[in-house]
Amino acid sequence: EAGVTQFPSHSVIEKGQTVTLRCDPISGHDNLYWYRRVMGKEIKFLLHFVKESKQDESGMPNNRFLAERTGGTYSTLKVQPAELEDSGVYFCASSQDLGGPDETQYFGPGTRLLVL
Amino acid sequence: QKEVEQDPGPLSVPEGAIVSLNCTYSNSAFQYFMWYRQYSRKGPELLMYTYSSGNKEDGRFTAQVDKSSKYISLFIRDSQPSDSATYLCAIQGAQKLVFGQGTRLTINP
Repeated sequence: EAGVTQFPSHSVIEKGQTVTLRCDPISGHDNLYWYRRVMGKEIKFLLHFVKESKQDESGMPNNRFLAERTGGTYSTLKVQPAELEDSGVYFCASSQDLGGPDETQYFGPGTRLLVL
Repeated sequence: QKEVEQDPGPLSVPEGAIVSLNCTYSNSAFQYFMWYRQYSRKGPELLMYTYSSGNKEDGRFTAQVDKSSKYISLFIRDSQPSDSATYLCAIQGAQKLVFGQGTRLTINP
């Protein structure tokens, strides 16, 4: 079974540019999460999709970030325009069931974003 | 105050040593406590989880939760060089995970 995949693995852009990150969850997983780790800080929750619906987007930093999950399969996270403080590692995770100890979140390898 | 506090280390121990990793948390409503392991350039992978207070053992790993003091621990016995990684404690609140900063552990042969 394929794990969570993320593309690209690395991205270097200039301040003011747009970047789109993609996440393909494990097949059949309705729950999809985005997290971010800024250098020197802990991994922080950004948002949670259940199928194509945003269940919780309380962690999104501001309106420069737009997440979509059309059709309830893969998800994209767009940053427009990118700022220096957006640099970090963006992780995607997916899980099968809601609630309880069996809801294991499986993480992708992350996208390393550097904004210059 | 952060919801989850974890000493980032780094921590370096000789092979075969017992390792103790710890976190504290602030919200007493949390019920599920996890330990993730992250190798370099990889995503976090779930190592163990514990529900409420108590201990859970899996091979060389023991996870311990003390809800009265809001303290969670991970013990690694007979540590191996392959255990070298960053260990992240995480607490599940609603459907999201709240992570500690992670402790970078190196086991020296």
